[in-house]
Amino acid sequence: DGGITQSPKYLFRKEGQNVTLSCEQNLNHDAMYWYRQDPGQGLRLIYYSQIVNDFQKGDIAEGYSVSREKKESFPLTVTSAQKNPTAFYLCASTRDSFYGYTFGSGTRLTVV
Amino acid sequence: AQSVSQHNHHVILSEAASLELGCNYSYGGTVNLFWYVQYPGQHLQLLLKYFSGDPLVKGIKGFEAEFIKSKFSFNLRKPSVQWSDTAEYFCAVNAHTGTASKLTFGTGTRLQVTL
Repeated sequence: DGGITQSPKYLFRKEGQNVTLSCEQNLNHDAMYWYRQDPGQGLRLIYYSQIVNDFQKGDIAEGYSVSREKKESFPLTVTSAQKNPTAFYLCASTRDSFYGYTFGSGTRLTVV
Repeated sequence: AQSVSQHNHHVILSEAASLELGCNYSYGGTVNLFWYVQYPGQHLQLLLKYFSGDPLVKGIKGFEAEFIKSKFSFNLRKPSVQWSDTAEYFCAVNAHTGTASKLTFGTGTRLQVTL
């Protein structure tokens, strides 16, 4: 079955460490997105990529970095510069906005 | 930049009650509108979408939404809710700004349906 795989499902890190969240899709979608979900704040866009080797900052990009070396993969690095990294992170992709987005199951990151 | 407001943060209904969740957006141009649902422990799923044409859109599981352009609204409705509709509901807008396609989400409404 086609879909988006996010790993791991739960991730614990010590404060000050960088951590990379994985997002892989086998839907042949060009566009991929990273959102952060916090209670009462909905989903906020961190970074997005329309094509390989190109990406743009979203609304809350500070403290995060991404790469898009392959169409299938869009990893997100949460750096030590992110002031409040504990959150639920969602990856999404789409072929065309008409079809809506397909979401992964998310990674819950806890920084202690 | 576009924004989306969902004024109902937490709604509690009894089974068989009617549902209406509010969604307003701020953007003066052409928009595509979506409702997503997140059941406990599951992926975000698309409930329905509006692009053009009939402003009354029907989605999965008996949900519908009406686009009222003059009110910048896209409210979600269901005539009779079931316990299985307990979930979080997100409204989203994709504004046609000429730049990359990206969805802006509302803060979500948590729906709790009691037996």
